[in-house]
Amino acid sequence: DAGVIQSPRHEVTEMGQEVTLRCKPISGHNSLFWYRQTMMRGLELLIYFNNNVPIDDSGMPEDRFSAKMPNASFSTLKIQPSEPRDSAVYFCASSFVLGPANYEQYFGPGTRLTVT
Amino acid sequence: AQTVTQSQPEMSVQEAETVTLSCTYDTSESDYYLFWYKQPPSRQMILVIRQEAYKQQNATENRFSVNFQKAAKSFSLKISDSQLGDAAMYFCASTGTGGTSYGKLTFGQGTILTVHP
Repeated sequence: DAGVIQSPRHEVTEMGQEVTLRCKPISGHNSLFWYRQTMMRGLELLIYFNNNVPIDDSGMPEDRFSAKMPNASFSTLKIQPSEPRDSAVYFCASSFVLGPANYEQYFGPGTRLTVT
Repeated sequence: AQTVTQSQPEMSVQEAETVTLSCTYDTSESDYYLFWYKQPPSRQMILVIRQEAYKQQNATENRFSVNFQKAAKSFSLKISDSQLGDAAMYFCASTGTGGTSYGKLTFGQGTILTVHP
């Protein structure tokens, strides 16, 4: 298996521009997670999907952030408009969660976003 | 709600020696899972070891083992025969099996491990 795939690996954009981050989870996994990592705040869960449905988006910082999962093999995280404080590494992770059994999350390589 | 605390921002160890990274957690759930993840400079998050709370036996994976003290809510990671490649940031994490924490990972702040040759 190719693992979780994220694109792009690096993104540099100017303040005010729209940014779209992409994720392809591991085939067969039914849950997908978007995280943000910064020095100040560590790893934060932004949103999580189960069977393509958003379950918990309480970590999404504000309305400028939106995420979609149109099918089991693709998800996007969009920031519009972007701001310098959005600069961070964004991780996508997937897992298989079923009933009482929780399985470990597998992370993609991350997207390093720099907003100037 | 779950919280995870790593009280050691940095640790160091000599190559071939043993080091223990500390982690404490708090949860109101009766069933949960605990993990240690490693993040090397490449920033890839790699699962090191996994422990199910209902299992009393401590998990082991080659040179990595945990000391799980459920009553004390402690979950430390022991790395034996440390290697240069073990140098990384290590994160402790927990996930619940019900309610709002179902399937979600809560991470600690991380511990930077340096391995000296």
